[in-house]
Amino acid sequence: DAGVIQSPRHEVTEMGQEVTLRCKPISGHNSLFWYRQTMMRGLELLIYFNNNVPIDDSGMPEDRFSAKMPNASFSTLKIQPSEPRDSAVYFCASGILAFYNEQFFGPGTRLTVL
Amino acid sequence: GENVEQHPSTLSVQEGDSAVIKCTYSDSASNYFPWYKQELGKGPQLIIDIRSNVGEKKDQRIAVTLNKTAKHFSLHITETQPEDSAVYFCAPPPKGGADGLTFGKGTHLIIQP
Repeated sequence: DAGVIQSPRHEVTEMGQEVTLRCKPISGHNSLFWYRQTMMRGLELLIYFNNNVPIDDSGMPEDRFSAKMPNASFSTLKIQPSEPRDSAVYFCASGILAFYNEQFFGPGTRLTVL
Repeated sequence: GENVEQHPSTLSVQEGDSAVIKCTYSDSASNYFPWYKQELGKGPQLIIDIRSNVGEKKDQRIAVTLNKTAKHFSLHITETQPEDSAVYFCAPPPKGGADGLTFGKGTHLIIQP
């Protein structure tokens, strides 16, 4: 298995532009998580899905952030419009819906908003 | 929500010595206690976990101990090696393990040759 796949790996954009981050979870996994990592705030959970349904989006910082999971093999995190403070590494993770289960992280997308 | 504190933030040890990282949590309902390791440029990876009905778990050179009364659990690494250099996170999820993880701030472990 290739593991969790994220694209792009690096994204540089200008303030005000729309940014779309993509994630392909591990086949057979039915939970998907989006995290953000910064030096100041560490690793934060943004939103997660179980069986393609958003369960908790309380970590999404603002209405500028939105996430979708149209099917079991694809999810997007969109920022519109982007701001410099959105600069961070965004991780997608997947797992099997159950208690006590491991989450498998992708390599992350490093976003820089100028 | 879960309040997680991790200590120390940086730990430097000589190769071959032991390292201990401690994590305290606030949610009494927590019953699953994982440790993740993040190497430079990569996503976190689970290295060991423990459930609340167990006090200690060991896997080769790493071990995790749990004190539910005091609400803390610790990561122990013995006979440290250069490849142990990384950032380590405790990540007790609230309400069990089916939800997203609440990560501590991380401990940067440096193994000195």
